Amino acid sequence: DAGVIQSPRHEVTEMGQEVTLRCKPISGHDYLFWYRQTMMRGLELLIYFNNNVPIDDSGMPEDRFSAKMPNASFSTLKIQPSEPRDSAVYFCASSPHGAGSNTGELFFGEGSRLTVL
Amino acid sequence: QKEVEQNSGPLSVPEGAIASLNCTYSDRGSQSFFWYRQYSGKSPELIMFIYSNGDKEDGRFTAQLNKASQYVSLLIRDSQPSDSATYLCAVNAPGNMLTFGGGTRLMVKP
Repeated sequence: DAGVIQSPRHEVTEMGQEVTLRCKPISGHDYLFWYRQTMMRGLELLIYFNNNVPIDDSGMPEDRFSAKMPNASFSTLKIQPSEPRDSAVYFCASSPHGAGSNTGELFFGEGSRLTVL
Repeated sequence: QKEVEQNSGPLSVPEGAIASLNCTYSDRGSQSFFWYRQYSGKSPELIMFIYSNGDKEDGRFTAQLNKASQYVSLLIRDSQPSDSATYLCAVNAPGNMLTFGGGTRLMVKP
């Protein structure tokens, strides 16, 4: 399997612009997670989906952030408008059974490094 | 108080020594505990998980869990320079989520 695929790997944009990050999970994985990683706050869960349905979005920082999963093989995380404090590495991860189970391994993509100027 | 606490380090050990990484968590209902390794500029990868009190060994790695003390640790025996990375402790939260600690940076010096 190709693993979790994220795009773009790097994005540099100006404040106020819309940013869309994309993720293709591992085929057959029912759970998809979006995390954000910064030096100050570490790895934070933003939202997760089970069978394409958003289950918990309590980590989404504010209304500027939105995430969708239109089908089992694709998800997007959108920031509109972007701000400098959104600069971070955004990871997408998928899991076959969810993170709390006895086989709760998360498989991470390589991340999208976002810089907002 | 953060839900999962780790000393940020860096923890510096000489090659061949035992590295001891520690993690505490606040939710007594947590059942699953994971250690992820993250090399600089890379994504986290799972190295061990533990569910029961006591020790679990896998090669040079040993995970230790004490639920009464809400404490998880990772021991790395015969540390190698290739073990230099950030080690993330993760704990399952209610539902199917994982909460990560801030990570401990380990440096193994030749």
